[in-house]
Amino acid sequence: EERLVQSGGGRIHPGGSLRLSCDASGLGITLRQYVLAWVRQAPGKGLEWVSSISGTGSQTYYADSVKGRFAVSRDNSKKTLYLQMSTLRVEDTAVYYCAIGLGDSTTVNDWFDPWGQGTLVIVSS
Amino acid sequence: DIVMTQSPDSLAVSLGERATINCKSSQSILYSPNNKNFLAWYQQKPGQPPMLLFSWASTRESGVPDRFTGSGSGTDFTLTISSLQAEDVAVYYCQQYYSSPLTFGGGTKVEIK
Repeated sequence: EERLVQSGGGRIHPGGSLRLSCDASGLGITLRQYVLAWVRQAPGKGLEWVSSISGTGSQTYYADSVKGRFAVSRDNSKKTLYLQMSTLRVEDTAVYYCAIGLGDSTTVNDWFDPWGQGTLVIVSS
Repeated sequence: DIVMTQSPDSLAVSLGERATINCKSSQSILYSPNNKNFLAWYQQKPGQPPMLLFSWASTRESGVPDRFTGSGSGTDFTLTISSLQAEDVAVYYCQQYYSSPLTFGGGTKVEIK
């Protein structure tokens, strides 16, 4: 089954840092042709787009809620997406999903499929 | 930001009956040059990631049963399940991809009556 495999996550104190990874090597696609994205879901809540990165990695986009604190990056040679999260807040607690964007590889106008299995980040003292 | 508002928050439908979910955007997400609506629908079952059902408001993904239909244009959209099956119990989300930030509706929980 073709899928995205996520790692990272866990419990962290407010103000701390964490890095999430998303391995797309199991997908039979040329990864640089696709935008990759992070979407999160707070416990019992809906979906919130967090960040997207263009196919080459030259363009990044962020939700206002994480701008300046989170950094998205990708390594197409390793077929891996990353999310470096810093200055974490209690309200960042969520399941974080990575996903493949199906729009143009250079823009943020994306819908998403497939999604990773999700990784839980808990920010708590 | 484009706000996506779904209704109802939840609905209970008998097996074999119709379920209708509404999604309204705070501004038009119809791109006039290509006459396409920048709207997707997802299904999320408990403990699972979302699964894409429709893009462009009405283009059904491969493998999605044809009892699911996406419709609407401009600011008003609908996801219809024509004959609810037990495996359709889930939360359904709409998402606009017309402009950044990408935004989702709050979700509609579909249950069996």
